[in-house]
Amino acid sequence: QKEVEQNSGPLSVPEGAIASLNCTYSDRGSQSFFWYRQYSGKSPELIMFIYSNGDKEDGRFTAQLNKASQYVSLLIRDSQPSDSATYLCAVTHGTYKYIFGTGTRLKVLA
Amino acid sequence: GAVVSQHPSWVICKSGTSVKIECRSLDFQATTMFWYRQFPKQSLMLMATSNEGSKATYEQGVEKDKFLINHASLTLSTLTVTSAHPEDSSFYICSASGQGAESNTGELFFGEGSRLTVL
Repeated sequence: QKEVEQNSGPLSVPEGAIASLNCTYSDRGSQSFFWYRQYSGKSPELIMFIYSNGDKEDGRFTAQLNKASQYVSLLIRDSQPSDSATYLCAVTHGTYKYIFGTGTRLKVLA
Repeated sequence: GAVVSQHPSWVICKSGTSVKIECRSLDFQATTMFWYRQFPKQSLMLMATSNEGSKATYEQGVEKDKFLINHASLTLSTLTVTSAHPEDSSFYICSASGQGAESNTGELFFGEGSRLTVL
């Protein structure tokens, strides 16, 4: 079983819609959860991080964490074509050693 | 956020040669640097963790004699791919954490990545 799992996609949504990206993890001891965006040929950039159960909002982005279900998600409201990228879920155990998921490719259609 | 610079951004070499990739923290002291490798349409796989002044810790399955990591200063780590072969062609990315870089989020700061193509 992979430690961090994501649907590879592509997930296609029309411009202006809500994109919902999901991630599950296997280690119940995981403490910190990150969403990174990666454009093709570029290195990842941080979008959101979340530590506690519940929702965390930052602009058009909302991260949701459910530790009981070992599930973390990212919602992107009012999706724009520039949001088209691969979104990586990353999990740590309180250190800087990240475990990355394979990423979900998002396509926002104009 | 903190800036991590990686060089070269892309390199093409012949099979059997060695290639060095540099990773620099520009505005903070990187006590720890991480080297990742990413094959097309795959995730980032951690290769090794390097701490300034000590030997790198390699992940299982990564050949330490092939991927030489040096972290001699608080602002520079290097990855040398020795006797490179076509199967080593990949996107190599460094990241760093350390004094002056943290924002209490656990965020890692990534270099721009280096695309290696071995002919």
